[in-house]
Amino acid sequence: NAGVMQNPRHLVRRRGQEARLRCSPMKGHSHVYWYRQLPEEGLKFMVYLQKENIIDESGMPKERFSAEFPKEGPSILRIQQVVRGDSAAYFCASSPKISVDTEAFFGQGTRLTVV
Amino acid sequence: SQQGEEDPQALSIQEGENATMNCSYKTSINNLQWYRQNSGRGLVHLILIRSNEREKHSGRLRVTLDTSKKSSSLLITASRAADTASYFCATPTQGGSEKLVFGKGTKLTVNP
Repeated sequence: NAGVMQNPRHLVRRRGQEARLRCSPMKGHSHVYWYRQLPEEGLKFMVYLQKENIIDESGMPKERFSAEFPKEGPSILRIQQVVRGDSAAYFCASSPKISVDTEAFFGQGTRLTVV
Repeated sequence: SQQGEEDPQALSIQEGENATMNCSYKTSINNLQWYRQNSGRGLVHLILIRSNEREKHSGRLRVTLDTSKKSSSLLITASRAADTASYFCATPTQGGSEKLVFGKGTKLTVNP
């Protein structure tokens, strides 16, 4: 079991470009979460998806950010027209099911730098 | 506002000493989880303690939970330089998504 795989590990974009971050959950996991971490901060929830459905996007900025988790393939976090303030580490987590003891498994993160 | 708040924000100790980190939270919880993050890396799940548990052990880790005070502590005994990392507590929200709410973490440095 390869664990949660995120790519790329590092991504540099110029202001105004698009950033696409990919997350392949652990085998058998159908729940995916995206979190953002600013320097010296904890992780902040962005969005929770199940296959083909967005369940909770209460942490997503209203504009420029979108997420999907298609039936086939990885989950994608897409940031359009990036700005300097989008520079952060973006982490994906997956879990097999939701219960009171759900443990989330995290990927290594994608570090986005907007120049 | 933060659900989980760790203190201290930073802790520096010598190898072999014990390290204690605390976490406070605001709302009722089903469980509380502790994670470790090495610099520039992802999060590693350390331990989960349920709301009906008071103490839990895993190797050199000991976690306590006091639901009356809405607080938890993580004790690392006989620390090693490899324990140097940031430690976060996290609580899942209730009501379906079980998304985790993290504190800002305690940055632990263990000096050899």
